[in-house]
Amino acid sequence: DGGITQSPKYLFRKEGQNVTLSCEQNLNHDAMYWYRQDPGQGLRLIYYSQIVNDFQKGDIAEGYSVSREKKESFPLTVTSAQKNPTAFYLCASKGEGAREQYFGPGTRLTVT
Amino acid sequence: AQSVTQLGSHVSVSEGALVLLRCNYSSSVPPYLFWYVQYPNQGLQLLLKYTTGATLVKGINGFEAEFKKSETSFHLTKPSAHMSDAAEYFCAVKKAGGGYQKVTFGTGTKLQVIP
Repeated sequence: DGGITQSPKYLFRKEGQNVTLSCEQNLNHDAMYWYRQDPGQGLRLIYYSQIVNDFQKGDIAEGYSVSREKKESFPLTVTSAQKNPTAFYLCASKGEGAREQYFGPGTRLTVT
Repeated sequence: AQSVTQLGSHVSVSEGALVLLRCNYSSSVPPYLFWYVQYPNQGLQLLLKYTTGATLVKGINGFEAEFKKSETSFHLTKPSAHMSDAAEYFCAVKKAGGGYQKVTFGTGTKLQVIP
């Protein structure tokens, strides 16, 4: 079954710790995206990558970092510099020529 | 710049009643338009999309939407609501064309279906 997996589903961390969220896809998509979702604010783009070894900042990249060493993987690190890291994080991908993005199931991060 | 406005953050309908979720967009160039559905603590699932061609678009689960350029709208409808339709719905817009084009999402509308 082709799709996007995000792990873990729920993640808890103490303030000041870095944490890495996993995103893997077996759809052979070139483009991958990370979004942050907060209640009542829709989805905001953190980072995106259109090809392996290349990525670009989105609208709210401060306090986050990514890597794209493999086509199928696009991990997101939430650093201690992110002031309000508690949120629902969604990973998405898009195939070449497609118009729409496909989303993973999300990771809910809680930082206390 | 492009933007999406979803009128009504919460909408309640009775089971069997018409569902109408409103979406207005702004875009300086012809847009692609999307509706996604999200169930609690899950990712977004594509319901339907408008790219080119027919302005009335049919999607999954009996939903449809009509692209009205003159009104800059892309409202989502379903003739008869089902309990399983209770979810949050997001309208999204991107510029038509190749290369990277940013997708802008609305703030979402939560649909409650009353038995």
